[in-house]
Amino acid sequence: AIQMTQSPSSLSASVGDRVTITCRASQGIRNDLVWYQQKPGKAPKLLIYAASSLQSGVPSRFSGSGSGTDFTLTISSLQPEDFATYYCLQHYNYPRTFGQGTKLEIK
Amino acid sequence: QITLKESGPTLVKPTQTLTLTCTFSGFSLSISGVGVGWIRQPPGKALEWLGNIYWDDDKRYNPSLKSRLTITKDTSKNQVVLTMTNMDPVDTATYYCAREQWAYFGYWGQGTLVTVSS
Repeated sequence: AIQMTQSPSSLSASVGDRVTITCRASQGIRNDLVWYQQKPGKAPKLLIYAASSLQSGVPSRFSGSGSGTDFTLTISSLQPEDFATYYCLQHYNYPRTFGQGTKLEIK
Repeated sequence: QITLKESGPTLVKPTQTLTLTCTFSGFSLSISGVGVGWIRQPPGKALEWLGNIYWDDDKRYNPSLKSRLTITKDTSKNQVVLTMTNMDPVDTATYYCAREQWAYFGYWGQGTLVTVSS
């Protein structure tokens, strides 16, 4: 199974900060990666697909990049509603595998 | 509008079999390329993919759980059923179903918390 390693596992930041979360695959996955945002008690919400394409309705302060094994999710200017946990998911092959999550907290 | 909703027991005893139903609307599981997957999340932990079923009845399972899982569909009822045998307290989690198209999950149900306890 492809292992997805996210870093950091947690992050404290302030409103207005620029934040980057990384996800590394244990083998190449082309750009078959998506990013989700999850708030407590809620289902994950799709933010980015195909590593860098913004899902409809998602604010443009979210962006994704990368291909192969290394991927990043960037939030250009944190807003209060962005404090949540973020997950990457690879869909290159089976079993589908998620990263362990990055919890973004208010500093 | 695409919606999915999980239903089933909230409490099961160890060794029992869990059966969850995902009822969806706004799409058809008979259309090429469409699938429905199951994902779970233990309290405070990460997401774990369990398995998928596709429009052509192809099924894919997480190897770590494959011997315990069965996923079936009833296209006429717009339902997908997950069966997990020999439940254990470590299987306590919120179980989600989600639509997979273009190989990723774009729409999710609200999730249902299943507790395994005697």
